[in-house]
Amino acid sequence: EAGVAQSPRYKIIEKRQSVAFWCNPISGHATLYWYQQILGQGPKLLIQFQNNGVVDDSQLPKDRFSAERLKGVDSTLKIQPAKLEDSAVYLCASTHRQGGVETQYFGPGTRLLVL
Amino acid sequence: AQSVSQHNHHVILSEAASLELGCNYSYGGTVNLFWYVQYPGQHLQLLLKYFSGDPLVKGIKGFEAEFIKSKFSFNLRKPSVQWSDTAEYFCAVKSGGGADGLTFGKGTHLIIQP
Repeated sequence: EAGVAQSPRYKIIEKRQSVAFWCNPISGHATLYWYQQILGQGPKLLIQFQNNGVVDDSQLPKDRFSAERLKGVDSTLKIQPAKLEDSAVYLCASTHRQGGVETQYFGPGTRLLVL
Repeated sequence: AQSVSQHNHHVILSEAASLELGCNYSYGGTVNLFWYVQYPGQHLQLLLKYFSGDPLVKGIKGFEAEFIKSKFSFNLRKPSVQWSDTAEYFCAVKSGGGADGLTFGKGTHLIIQP
């Protein structure tokens, strides 16, 4: 079974520029999550999708961050304009439900550096 | 809001030593608990999880964790560590019964000296 795919793996931009990350979840996984992991901290949930609908975006800085999952499969996360404090690893995860148990599987992440 | 506390940010052990990493959470309802591991240069991988039933859960690579509801704890243990266990370990919690996002602790960086 293929895992969660993310691209690019690394991105360096200057502050005030825009950037977009892409995620392809595991086939058949209806729920998709974006997390932000700042160096030295655990991942923090940014947004959760169920198919193509947003379930939870309470921690997404909506003035600069946006995300979509138009066809309920792939998802993109965008930052516009980027700030220095956005430097982090952006993780995508998808969920498989088996026997009433939800397990999240993570992609390799996109490491963003904002200069 | 949920929160997760991992007591040790850095742990250094010698090979064959026993390991226990602490994890406490703050949420009074039904919880699902997880330990994830991140080896150098790799992505987060699930070590083990607790949803219900036996509070002692066994995971991959000889790891186990015990859910103690009265203490709001889910400590990770391994009786004898190996050099290859060097990694970052994250405890995570979510509200039980749904597909909510995970709340992670800050992680524990474990270094095993040969």
